[in-house]
Amino acid sequence: SQQGEEDPQALSIQEGENATMNCSYKTSINNLQWYRQNSGRGLVHLILIRSNEREKHSGRLRVTLDTSKKSSSLLITASRAADTASYFCAHASGGSYIPTFGRGTSLIVHP
Amino acid sequence: EAGVAQSPRYKIIEKRQSVAFWCNPISGHATLYWYQQILGQGPKLLIQFQNNGVVDDSQLPKDRFSAERLKGVDSTLKIQPAKLEDSAVYLCASSGTGYVYEQYFGPGTRLTVT
Repeated sequence: SQQGEEDPQALSIQEGENATMNCSYKTSINNLQWYRQNSGRGLVHLILIRSNEREKHSGRLRVTLDTSKKSSSLLITASRAADTASYFCAHASGGSYIPTFGRGTSLIVHP
Repeated sequence: EAGVAQSPRYKIIEKRQSVAFWCNPISGHATLYWYQQILGQGPKLLIQFQNNGVVDDSQLPKDRFSAERLKGVDSTLKIQPAKLEDSAVYLCASSGTGYVYEQYFGPGTRLTVT
């Protein structure tokens, strides 16, 4: 079963604005990853944050992890039309490193 | 570096027919995964191979789905017979022996069962 849940399910913003997506999970994790999926490039790994990390940056992406609240957030700053895609969080727990995916957030960035 | 290759990209079949999907992982990647992604949902792992051995197939519906990875490189996923609820995108991914957390996904095969 899929344990991660993204919020909101859909997000529509204007180019240049920031986009924030949240992910909640139920069990203790080893790591949490964020992926992007669009029709042009398929499913692409964006960033991984380990359970002992609280924040990570990659270009315009910022990921935070709060293990006490079992939640993570992905912030995309200065969004572009090309950021239009579905964003998934996926986490690995227990003895497994295989990610379990949530349902995703559909982001639309209007030019 | 070439990415994960999958074929066909699209397939339409009638229920009770059989279908097979092919995946060629990134060269040198020991681990290969098959995922099923139903519209509006995230990918669900069906099976994981390490070289040519199965590591996890707990979510593979074994009464109708089968997969093999001969010689530890290419892999084939088969559905026989197909049901309407099998309509989905089937994604293949691979990862290396180093930073195994990062999976590289292929473009997927979109299956429609009518």
